[in-house]
Amino acid sequence: EPEVTQTPSHQVTQMGQEVILRCVPISNHLYFYWYRQILGQKVEFLVSFYNNEISEKSEIFDDQFSVERPDGSNFTLKIRSTKLEDSAMYFCASRPSSGRELNTQYFGPGTRLTVL
Amino acid sequence: GQSLEQPSEVTAVEGAIVQINCTYQTSGFYGLSWYQQHDGGAPTFLSYNALDGLEETGRFSSFLSRSDSYGYLLLQELQMKDSASYFCAVRPRGSSYKLIFGSGTRLLVRP
Repeated sequence: EPEVTQTPSHQVTQMGQEVILRCVPISNHLYFYWYRQILGQKVEFLVSFYNNEISEKSEIFDDQFSVERPDGSNFTLKIRSTKLEDSAMYFCASRPSSGRELNTQYFGPGTRLTVL
Repeated sequence: GQSLEQPSEVTAVEGAIVQINCTYQTSGFYGLSWYQQHDGGAPTFLSYNALDGLEETGRFSSFLSRSDSYGYLLLQELQMKDSASYFCAVRPRGSSYKLIFGSGTRLLVRP
């Protein structure tokens, strides 16, 4: 069964450093998302991406964040200068553009980011 | 904006039926979804209600009443593996299919 994959599973970084989180969405999906979940809290929307541009972003997704689809398979989230409060689990998700599963988002296993 | 409230924790016995409620305040949405998340795992889609009423998928059913701003997830014949967190989520109108999640309910199934 196709699945969303994410690397690395765990990233530890120093405050102020840049990190890039990587995702490979399901191959025939065209809509991609990043969410984050601070430990013990709910999942929060960060950004949606379609046709090589951002469709929508939340207040969390400030100038320190960027997303990119550098090739036909990868989808990345970059945090330019990490802060302590960026420590969270980051989930990538994708969904199909049509069909019965139009309203189903498929989540990757997540990257746990720890900022020291 | 959107606000979805759920009970923080529910405990039930193996083999029983449990209902997890979701009450919401929202300016408008297309549908209500439910996701399951095991500790350390990713959210996994369970069900989606576009219209009022009951949707059944095996042991899981989900219900939506827009007039009452309320929905629930019903889990039947509980199994130990159902111990997880359950989140309701809405897709706001005019959005890019983003999901706004509820506060989550931790379900503990006891033997």
